[in-house]
Amino acid sequence: GDSVTQKQGQVTLSEDDFLFINCTYSTTTYPTLFWYVQYPGQGPQLLLKVTTANNKGISRGFEATYDKGTTSFHLQKASVQESDSAVYFCALVDGTGGYKVVFGSGTRLLVSP
Amino acid sequence: EAAVTQSPRSKVAVTGGKVTLSCHQTNNHDYMYWYRQDTGHGLRLIHYSYVADSTEKGDIPDGYKASRPSQENFSLILELASLSQTAVYFCASSDGLGYAEQFFGPGTRLTVL
Repeated sequence: GDSVTQKQGQVTLSEDDFLFINCTYSTTTYPTLFWYVQYPGQGPQLLLKVTTANNKGISRGFEATYDKGTTSFHLQKASVQESDSAVYFCALVDGTGGYKVVFGSGTRLLVSP
Repeated sequence: EAAVTQSPRSKVAVTGGKVTLSCHQTNNHDYMYWYRQDTGHGLRLIHYSYVADSTEKGDIPDGYKASRPSQENFSLILELASLSQTAVYFCASSDGLGYAEQFFGPGTRLTVL
């Protein structure tokens, strides 16, 4: 079945550092891809969504482009702030029927001031 | 005002006991979902529903039942709670299939002893 892989369990940065979180996916269809963010004590919330390959999703300074050739959907931000500390989930819409979303295992971002 | 609420926010249950987790949404969404979150596994879909009085199995339905008595309410029922069901449970709603943004509740932390 469709799957999403996030190999980085945790990323630790200082404020103003560049952020890069890896995500790769596997699907037999043309996926819709998401990044969700979960702040401490809250449920996940949508950060950005991309429906077409090579299109860039941008939100709150974060950006992601999905590359069909490398099946990657990495999340980037030029300069992180302490308030960006959270867990980031890469996700895709399952190709069978499109009724469900498959989530990656999440990457915890810790930003120190 | 929070659009997806869950109750209780935390619960301690005994092995073999019955547990009911409740979810209420004011988004006027047709789709509702129950996920569980475990460290290292991200979010996994248990049950979902797209109309009142009907529920569908997700990826890990064993040991769980769901009930959708109205558009606004969606419950998750553990008839015989087990240690392995200790997790954080999230409810979500959306206005369409997986392609649509999902709005999550704050979660319920369930501990089975």
